[in-house]
Amino acid sequence: DAGVIQSPRHEVTEMGQEVTLRCKPISGHNSLFWYRQTMMRGLELLIYFNNNVPIDDSGMPEDRFSAKMPNASFSTLKIQPSEPRDSAVYFCASSFPRGAGTEAFFGQGTRLTVV
Amino acid sequence: GNSVTQMEGPVTLSEEAFLTINCTYTATGYPSLFWYVQYPGEGLQLLLKATKADDKGSNKGFEATYRKETTSFHLEKGSVQVSDSAVYFCALTLPYNQGGKLIFGQGTELSVKP
Repeated sequence: DAGVIQSPRHEVTEMGQEVTLRCKPISGHNSLFWYRQTMMRGLELLIYFNNNVPIDDSGMPEDRFSAKMPNASFSTLKIQPSEPRDSAVYFCASSFPRGAGTEAFFGQGTRLTVV
Repeated sequence: GNSVTQMEGPVTLSEEAFLTINCTYTATGYPSLFWYVQYPGEGLQLLLKATKADDKGSNKGFEATYRKETTSFHLEKGSVQVSDSAVYFCALTLPYNQGGKLIFGQGTELSVKP
């Protein structure tokens, strides 16, 4: 398997524009997580899905952020409108919970810069 | 609530020095505990894990023991190498029937000098 695939790897956009980040989880995994990483706040869990259903979106910073998982092989994180403080590295991770100690596999991340 | 607290970095060591990175957690129920490592420009990858009290996880010379009485999972290595320079994250996950949430500490940057 190719692992968790995120696109794009880098995104530079102007303030006010819509940004869509994409994630393809590992085939067969039914849990998917979106994280944001910044120097100031570290690694923050934004939202996670089980079986394509959002379970906890309490980490989504505000209404400008939305995430969807239309099927088991694809998820998007959208920011509309984007702001400079959204600049960060966004990671997607997936797992297949089988009991205790299930490992999550991370993508390479998308580095977002909003100017 | 559920949370993970790590010692702040950056930590700078000389090659072959002993490493300890402290991690404590707060959790409802019975979490599994993990250490993940992030090398520059990459995503996180699992370093080691432990699923119940007194378990010891180990990998690549690193080890950590699940201490329920002190709610800790400190990472140790007896002799670090330059190639160990990375950011280390302590994490917990709740059982699937409690939602399966994966929660990370803030990360500790380790720099090993030759």
